[in-house]
Order: sequence, then C-alpha cells, then structure tokens
Amino acid sequence: AQTVTQSQPEMSVQEAETVTLSCTYDTSESDYYLFWYKQPPSRQMILVIRQEAYKQQNATENRFSVNFQKAAKSFSLKISDSQLGDAAMYFCAYKRPDDKIIFGKGTRLHILP
Amino acid sequence: DAGVTQSPTHLIKTRGQQVTLRCSPKSGHDTVSWYQQALGQGPQFIFQYYEEEERQRGNFPDRFSGHQFPNYSSELNVNALLLGDSALYLCASSSLLKDTQYFGPGTRLTVL
Repeated sequence: AQTVTQSQPEMSVQEAETVTLSCTYDTSESDYYLFWYKQPPSRQMILVIRQEAYKQQNATENRFSVNFQKAAKSFSLKISDSQLGDAAMYFCAYKRPDDKIIFGKGTRLHILP
Repeated sequence: DAGVTQSPTHLIKTRGQQVTLRCSPKSGHDTVSWYQQALGQGPQFIFQYYEEEERQRGNFPDRFSGHQFPNYSSELNVNALLLGDSALYLCASSSLLKDTQYFGPGTRLTVL
C-alpha cells in the first residue's frame, strides 16, 4: 500500500529566511502526481505546488519549489523568503493513477517575526 | 468563478443521529471526492463520485454513504453517528483523472 511520511511534525523559521519541509513516499507505480497543500487556521486546503512523476524538472511556483528525487521517493518543499502568511500546516500528498489521494500527517510551520 | 463550496460550516449532532453534508464542485468539474480529517491528522479518503456513481471507496464503514446529482453536486451521509466521527469533512472536486483536486472549506462535525 502506498504511504506518505512527513518526519517533521513542527518546524520554525525566521521571517525572510528559507525553510525546507521533508516528505518521502512509497509506491510501486511509475506514473503519479505529488502535491504540497497548505492548510491555514481557516481550514481551507490550498494547493501550493504539484509535480508530475514523469517530469524530471523540479516544479517551481514563485517562492515555493520542490526537490523531487524519484529514485529515492523523496519530495521536499523549499519556501524562500518566508512570510508571516506562510504559517500553516503543510501536507504532502500522493495521487495514485486511480485518482485517490494519500496524505501525510502534516508539518506545522511557524514563522518567527 | 466560484470554487468548491460546502455546507453547513459547522454541525453539532448527538450519538446515533444521522447527518447530511453538501458539496458543490468548482465550475467545469465532474468528479467529487470526500475526505475525513481528524484533529491533528491528514485527510483520509472516504469515497469518490463520478457520473452519479461511487467510483471508489476508502476504508470506511457502510454507515458512510453518498450521492451525486446530475449537476455534479454531492452529499455525504453518515448514519448512527459515533463520537469518533467528529472531524473536519472536506470535499474536493476535479475533472476525472486530471491532475489536481481542489478543496472546499470543509464542514466541522462535532458528535456529542
């Protein structure tokens, strides 16, 4: 069965600094999608970034980028120039070819002013 | 363009009661998935609806059932509520087998 592991329950970063959130996953599939979702206290699950497994190039969205290592089954999220509004729970997620999404347990990110 | 909407926002029920939660998908989407998120946990997949039929299901008992209407909106029904059913229920919409599911704001269910 596929699993998603986020080994950092909580992290803190100084405002304007860079932080990296870790995620590993387990699958025997070759074609799948990976996502990072952000869930602020408002509860809305917001898509941060997505990566298609067959694309070797790492995805980037403004201050957010990923380091996708397919062979190692690793998918980390880097947030540059951290802002107070980045404070939230961050979930790593794996989407199977049948459309089912498996989520990790999340990493709570604190931004220190 | 409205995103995914859910109602109600909050709900309080007692054990043994039944509850219905509602979801309207994002415009252009035909697939609705439901997730249960317990406090401090990641969302768990309940089931997915496409063309008014349950397409696949996670490890949830038959007390959890759903429906999809011709306009693609969906309902989640939970019968014989247990204390452990207290959670945030998230609805996500997508186009079938496309890459991204978009989430609604959730319904917070409290069972007393």
